[in-house]
Amino acid sequence: AQSVSQHNHHVILSEAASLELGCNYSYGGTVNLFWYVQYPGQHLQLLLKYFSGDPLVKGNKGFEAEFIKSKFSFNLRKPSVQWSDTAEYFCAVNAGGFKTIFGAGTRLFVKA
Amino acid sequence: EAQVTQNPRYLITVTGKKLTVTCSQNMNHEYMSWYRQDPGLGLRQIYYSMNVEVTDKGDVPEGYKVSRKEKRNFPLILESPSPNQTSLYFCASSSTGSLYSGNTIYFGEGSWLTVV
Repeated sequence: AQSVSQHNHHVILSEAASLELGCNYSYGGTVNLFWYVQYPGQHLQLLLKYFSGDPLVKGNKGFEAEFIKSKFSFNLRKPSVQWSDTAEYFCAVNAGGFKTIFGAGTRLFVKA
Repeated sequence: EAQVTQNPRYLITVTGKKLTVTCSQNMNHEYMSWYRQDPGLGLRQIYYSMNVEVTDKGDVPEGYKVSRKEKRNFPLILESPSPNQTSLYFCASSSTGSLYSGNTIYFGEGSWLTVV
């Protein structure tokens, strides 16, 4: 069965620190990969996605993620976080069709 | 504006009292789904629907029912709610697409349900 693992449940950083959130999935075939973000009190929204082409995907607000097929990973990065990045981040995998599997989420708190 | 709208946003109810959470999308999406979000467990899929009159169980379907009589609507029904169904619920939709189209999911704003 497909699964998605997010390495950290809680991350606390100071502003301007660099961020990397780990995500690994278990599926051997072709996948679509996503990062969704949920800001406090809001619904989930797409941050970035990979479905083909350049494995380094850039999203809004300076976020990027790199798909490494050999490691089954899709880690999210940002070189310098801001207080407004405080949110919960979900990695998700779709292996075709309608089934998308979400990770348990990582809560990021950025100290001002 | 593309939207997934769910109601109510907040509800406190008592054990055993049937309730329905409505969900509607305006994007003509074929696929709709319900998730529940619980601390430390992330998002778990309750039910999904691939088209009108086509529904199937997700990972945690016990205690829930759904129906898909129209393409735009996908209500979630709790026939006899119990306290373990206290959670944050999200409705979601996405378009039919091949693996290479991205299949982005659009979420509603969530419904906070408390069963006492």
